[in-house]
Amino acid sequence: KAGVTQTPRYLIKTRGQQVTLSCSPISGHRSVSWYQQTPGQGLQFLFEYFSETQRNKGNFPGRFSGRQFSNSRSEMNVSTLELGDSALYLCASSLRAGSYQETQYFGPGTRLLVL
Amino acid sequence: AQSVTQPDIHITVSEGASLELRCNYSYGATPYLFWYVQSPGQGLQLLLKYFSGDTLVQGIKGFEAEFKRSQSSFNLRKPSVHWSDAAEYFCAVVLTGGGNKLTFGTGTQLKVEL
Repeated sequence: KAGVTQTPRYLIKTRGQQVTLSCSPISGHRSVSWYQQTPGQGLQFLFEYFSETQRNKGNFPGRFSGRQFSNSRSEMNVSTLELGDSALYLCASSLRAGSYQETQYFGPGTRLLVL
Repeated sequence: AQSVTQPDIHITVSEGASLELRCNYSYGATPYLFWYVQSPGQGLQLLLKYFSGDTLVQGIKGFEAEFKRSQSSFNLRKPSVHWSDAAEYFCAVVLTGGGNKLTFGTGTQLKVEL
């Protein structure tokens, strides 16, 4: 079974631009979560989607948004990029949402550099 | 405030030596606890998890962790480290009612000397 895939793997943008990252969960998984990883702030939860609905949201500004499609694939969008948005963005999938017993499987991440 | 603490930022051990990585949490109730490992350029891989029951849990790659309620700790151990264990290790928690939201510690970077 294929793992979680994220595209693109690397991305360079300039301040003020917007970016869209994509995540394809493991087949059969319906929950997708996004995390931001930076050297300064570590790993921080962005949001979680299940059945095309946002179920949980972290403490990030409204420039960060996401969505999930009917095939469970998810995208996250960051508008008006700032230098501080440079990070590794990780996607994780699990079978269900709202269950702490679910194992989350992480993708390799998208490394975003904002210049 | 609720938090997950990994006191050691960097740890260096010799190959074949034993390893213990520390993790402490600060929550009112018992959280659900996880250890993940991240190799350079990779995503996170789950090593083990604790929900309830036996406080000593076994994971993949020969790792184990022990939950100690009295110490609010969930330390990761391995009796004999291999060079391939060099990576960054993250302790994480999920709170009941928190959905799938993982709250991570700051990580411990493990270096293995040959």
